[in-house]
Amino acid sequence: DTGVSQDPRHKITKRGQNVTFRCDPISEHNRLYWYRQTLGQGPEFLTYFQNEAQLEKSRLLSDRFSAERPKGSFSTLEIQRTEQGDSAMYLCASRPPGADTEAFFGQGTRLTVV
Amino acid sequence: GNSVTQMEGPVTLSEEAFLTINCTYTATGYPSLFWYVQYPGEGLQLLLKATKADDKGSNKGFEATYRKETTSFHLEKGSVQVSDSAVYFCALDRDDKIIFGKGTRLHILP
Repeated sequence: DTGVSQDPRHKITKRGQNVTFRCDPISEHNRLYWYRQTLGQGPEFLTYFQNEAQLEKSRLLSDRFSAERPKGSFSTLEIQRTEQGDSAMYLCASRPPGADTEAFFGQGTRLTVV
Repeated sequence: GNSVTQMEGPVTLSEEAFLTINCTYTATGYPSLFWYVQYPGEGLQLLLKATKADDKGSNKGFEATYRKETTSFHLEKGSVQVSDSAVYFCALDRDDKIIFGKGTRLHILP
């Protein structure tokens, strides 16, 4: 068990470009979450999946954001036409089946839009 | 909607001091409550949890009690160590969605 893995760890992009991040959860974890964290703030919920189904999407997530988990394993988060306000740490977490189980977080992808 | 409010930081204490970090929540129904910790250079990790009223979660000398009447889940430790320096996040889980507070940075001086 290698933990939740996120790739890349850092991404610098020009405004207007598209970016895609990948998250590999712990195997057998059926739930996968995406959060965004800015400096001095707590993680803000973006979206989550149970297996391959996207069950909830935050109102924070504009139409430029899309997430997928095609086979119920890894997930991708894409941001189209990036803006400077998208600069943040993007965190992925996974949870095993069952109520009140622990969410395991990856190290995050730090996005800087210049 | 569901939300978590925790005390602003940073909190600076001397080693062996008593720690309290306040956390209150707003939620429909009865959420589960958590404290997560982020040590410097590391990812978020669960510190403790409580799933129903009057439950006490505990780990590494930290404790928090789920108080339904005051909608609170304050984190306490009797004697802090320099290694406890980190950012602490209170969180609730309602309908499988985990909502975090803004975090409280804790500095422990030797």
